[in-house]
Amino acid sequence: DGGITQSPKYLFRKEGQNVTLSCEQNLNHDAMYWYRQDPGQGLRLIYYSQIVNDFQKGDIAEGYSVSREKKESFPLTVTSAQKNPTAFYLCASSIAANSPLHFGNGTRLTVT
Amino acid sequence: DQQVKQNSPSLSVQEGRISILNCDYTNSMFDYFLWYKKYPAEGPTFLISISSIKDKNEDGRFTVFLNKSAKHLSLHIVPSQPGDSAVYFCAGLYGGSQGNLIFGKGTKLSVKP
Repeated sequence: DGGITQSPKYLFRKEGQNVTLSCEQNLNHDAMYWYRQDPGQGLRLIYYSQIVNDFQKGDIAEGYSVSREKKESFPLTVTSAQKNPTAFYLCASSIAANSPLHFGNGTRLTVT
Repeated sequence: DQQVKQNSPSLSVQEGRISILNCDYTNSMFDYFLWYKKYPAEGPTFLISISSIKDKNEDGRFTVFLNKSAKHLSLHIVPSQPGDSAVYFCAGLYGGSQGNLIFGKGTKLSVKP
């Protein structure tokens, strides 16, 4: 089955620690994205990548970093500089920059 | 500054009746609008889209209407089914790139048997 895998589903970290969220896709999609969802809010774009070894900041990139060394993988690191890291994080991909997004099932990160 | 607004946080409809979910936007540069459906603890799934040069797009039980002069679009679900109960996100796309996709806050639809 083709799809997007985000792991783990739930993640707990202490304040001040960096944490990396995994996102892998086997859809052979060129573009990948990271969104954040907070309660009662829409999805906000953190970072996106249209090709390997290239990525752009989204609306709320501060406190986050990404890498795109392989087409299949787009890990997101939530750094200690992110002031409100507790949220639901969604990874997505699209076959082209103007095609609808395919989403993973998300990772819920809780930082205490 | 919300470019895409879904002013109804929730909507409750009886099974078999029509569900109408509304969305308003402020950005005249949007050239596509998309609707995504999201179940709890899952990622959103793409439902239907409409180009800004169209006023209607239909796919089975789902129809999206666009009124550009009013900067308003709506998603109609007929007939509504209990399995349609989910959060529906409206999104506007400009510049031809999903990196320029702006989501509304969502409307939670409950379809009661």
